[in-house]
Amino acid sequence: NAGVMQNPRHLVRRRGQEARLRCSPMKGHSHVYWYRQLPEEGLKFMVYLQKENIIDESGMPKERFSAEFPKEGPSILRIQQVVRGDSAAYFCASSRAAYGYGYTFGSGTRLTVV
Amino acid sequence: DQQVKQNSPSLSVQEGRISILNCDYTNSMFDYFLWYKKYPAEGPTFLISISSIKDKNEDGRFTVFLNKSAKHLSLHIVPSQPGDSAVYFCAASGQETSGSRLTFGEGTQLTVNP
Repeated sequence: NAGVMQNPRHLVRRRGQEARLRCSPMKGHSHVYWYRQLPEEGLKFMVYLQKENIIDESGMPKERFSAEFPKEGPSILRIQQVVRGDSAAYFCASSRAAYGYGYTFGSGTRLTVV
Repeated sequence: DQQVKQNSPSLSVQEGRISILNCDYTNSMFDYFLWYKKYPAEGPTFLISISSIKDKNEDGRFTVFLNKSAKHLSLHIVPSQPGDSAVYFCAASGQETSGSRLTFGEGTQLTVNP
């Protein structure tokens, strides 16, 4: 029974490139959440998705960032035209129901923009 | 606007003694509080939680106390063990988001010395 799987674990992108981060939720979980942790800070909520629906994207930057959770396949967090300030650890979590206390986090993707 | 604050970036204790980690919040709509533990290069793992209808919750060596009037919660670990060395995050959720979004503090690095 695999946990939340995120890949890649490490991603290096040059400024201006696109970054795609993938998250496969735990089996039986249909709610996915993305959080970002900047250096020396706590985790910040970005977006909450259910299959084929974005439920809450109030934490997403207005430009360059998008997220999806298609009917089949993993959830994708996409960052276009990356800048140095996007360098961070991006964590995905999943839950069976829409409650924060049901979260299971993945190990994260460390994005470095050079 | 930091709604959840952990004012101590680090804490060092001796093995066998008590560790007390503190957390303050400002949003009176928060009604569920959680503590997560995080090792380097891993995602946060759930430790213990408390609902706002309670003032104490205990699970083995871990006890969380909630003081609603002071908007303060604390995590007690006793006895502390070297394996407890990690970053501890407190998090809160509220009814306005149906509990689906967690607001995290900045974290406290706990070091337990043998």
